[in-house]
Amino acid sequence: GEDVEQSLFLSVREGDSSVINCTYTDSSSTYLYWYKQEPGAGLQLLTYIFSNMDMKQDQRLTVLLNKKDKHLSLRIADTQTGDSAIYFCAEGRTYKYIFGTGTRLKVLA
Amino acid sequence: NAGVMQNPRHLVRRRGQEARLRCSPMKGHSHVYWYRQLPEEGLKFMVYLQKENIIDESGMPKERFSAEFPKEGPSILRIQQVVRGDSAAYFCASSPEGFGQPQHFGDGTRLSIL
Repeated sequence: GEDVEQSLFLSVREGDSSVINCTYTDSSSTYLYWYKQEPGAGLQLLTYIFSNMDMKQDQRLTVLLNKKDKHLSLRIADTQTGDSAIYFCAEGRTYKYIFGTGTRLKVLA
Repeated sequence: NAGVMQNPRHLVRRRGQEARLRCSPMKGHSHVYWYRQLPEEGLKFMVYLQKENIIDESGMPKERFSAEFPKEGPSILRIQQVVRGDSAAYFCASSPEGFGQPQHFGDGTRLSIL
């Protein structure tokens, strides 16, 4: 199938780390993306990883890719209240992105 | 440093009317994509265009929906004879030429059908 799956909700305390998980289906996907969507807004590109990489770090964000299990995760270190949003993973099959349903992250003060 | 610009941000139409959604890509981007987001769902691909060409419209409903990206001016997503099921957020994205270039999204048009 074409599904990209994510858990719907995640709640963490401010200052803790958040880990958002995603499984995808197409082993030929070349790039995998993480986007952030705040209420009423569009999607903000956070980071992306090429499929021949295992890990990518960008400031507070760490992306881990397990190609064998088709599993992607996004870790946000020192989570802040401003990180509360919906996080989408997407697999890029050339130009056609397949999105998950999004994980709603709630950060508790 | 304008990003992808979409207008209007909100659009209300009555059943049977036409809806026109506009998208201006980021400066230097020649590829435009339209996605639809239903409530509580992820985005679904609709169409991919380059200037004056539709490259892939496999995600577009066969009837009532059309898209264009003319030589001059914004890309337009047009929905004729709207129905309640067309209520959704419609997002446009753009990317530059080149393999693997990520798509950058606009803030979307939220279409409500009365």
